[in-house]
Amino acid sequence: DGGITQSPKYLFRKEGQNVTLSCEQNLNHDAMYWYRQDPGQGLRLIYYSQIVNDFQKGDIAEGYSVSREKKESFPLTVTSAQKNPTAFYLCASSIGIGEQFFGPGTRLTVL
Amino acid sequence: GEDVEQSLFLSVREGDSSVINCTYTDSSSTYLYWYKQEPGAGLQLLTYIFSNMDMKQDQRLTVLLNKKDKHLSLRIADTQTGDSAIYFCAESPRTGGFKTIFGAGTRLFVKA
Repeated sequence: DGGITQSPKYLFRKEGQNVTLSCEQNLNHDAMYWYRQDPGQGLRLIYYSQIVNDFQKGDIAEGYSVSREKKESFPLTVTSAQKNPTAFYLCASSIGIGEQFFGPGTRLTVL
Repeated sequence: GEDVEQSLFLSVREGDSSVINCTYTDSSSTYLYWYKQEPGAGLQLLTYIFSNMDMKQDQRLTVLLNKKDKHLSLRIADTQTGDSAIYFCAESPRTGGFKTIFGAGTRLFVKA
């Protein structure tokens, strides 16, 4: 089955630690996205990539980093510079402009 | 700038119709979407409408687009308890590349 997966589902991190969230898709989509979701604020775009080896900052990129070395993979690193990282993180992919397919999300909690 | 606004909560009785409203700012948007999010899960596309259409119907779902007022609505007929979720309105601005702008989401409560 084609789809988009995220792991882990739940992640706990101590303050000051970097952590990497995984996102993989087998839909052969060129574009991939990372969003952060906080209660009552909807989805905010962190980073997006329209093609392999290229990515762009979204609206809230500070404290985050990404890489896009393979078409299928778009990992997100939450660095210690992110002041309030506790949130629900969603990864998505698309062929181009149009429908985005979302993963199940990773809930990150900073202890 | 680009913005999508929608009310945060809606409560309806089972069997009634639900109407979720949304306003957007970018008149160049090519596509407008409605996504559904169930608790603890990702978003799934419910339906979408091209900017050159006024209405789209898909089983229990009716989407109305008023381009003059930049207003989009989603009507769910015969609302069921399984429709309880968060509904996101979204637009893809023509000048935004592959970016999609999401509203804050409307949480729909369906009372039995």
